[in-house]
Amino acid sequence: SYELTQPPSVSVSPGQTARITCSGDALPKKYAYWHQQKSGQAPVLVIYEDSKRPSGIPERFSGSSSGTMATLTISGAQVEDEGDYYCYSTDSTGYLGVFGGGTKLTVL
Amino acid sequence: EVQLVESGGGAVWPGRSLRLSCAASGFSFDDYGMSWVRQAPGRGLEWVSGINWSGGRTGYADSVKGRFIISRDNAKNSLYLQMTSLRDEDTALYYCARATYYYNSDGYRRDGGADIWGQGTMVSVSS
Repeated sequence: SYELTQPPSVSVSPGQTARITCSGDALPKKYAYWHQQKSGQAPVLVIYEDSKRPSGIPERFSGSSSGTMATLTISGAQVEDEGDYYCYSTDSTGYLGVFGGGTKLTVL
Repeated sequence: EVQLVESGGGAVWPGRSLRLSCAASGFSFDDYGMSWVRQAPGRGLEWVSGINWSGGRTGYADSVKGRFIISRDNAKNSLYLQMTSLRDEDTALYYCARATYYYNSDGYRRDGGADIWGQGTMVSVSS
């Protein structure tokens, strides 16, 4: 079955740039999506179609994708950005979804 | 307000069945594909199943294929997940989610990641 691979954790100081990666064989042909989940809350979409930002998401969140790797970048990370981040995409058929294992972002 | 509200969760014995429902409001339900995503306690997100806007195409994770059936009733703005032969490992918070969509290079519409999520309904399978 298709898998997306993320690092388990990323830690930065406030104001630094946080980068979270997601690797998958189908990413050259399929979009990546990024979700933020804070403790006890439902996930929130922060990046869609590799690099687009939904309304209401701060400009410090950006996304990119190159080859088999997608990257979520938080420029000037803030304490309120702490949480778990999940990438999502589909397999090569486009009909089966998959989430990465999640990355715990710590900002302190 | 765009909203998804799940219901139907509960505690069941292994091997039993359960039907989850998701009521959608605030948007044109029949314009969007929908998904079920679950999260076991202390674990990450797992895509369970998806259905396109018309109900004509569905997909399932290997872990639930043959046991779960996703369906929708566009007249009732509702999404469903019929779960049978439940196992301990199906214990999780089940989220209903609306899929974004895009048009690929061939001009075909494809569902993408979820932009709207419900608050989830808990399913606990245990003897």
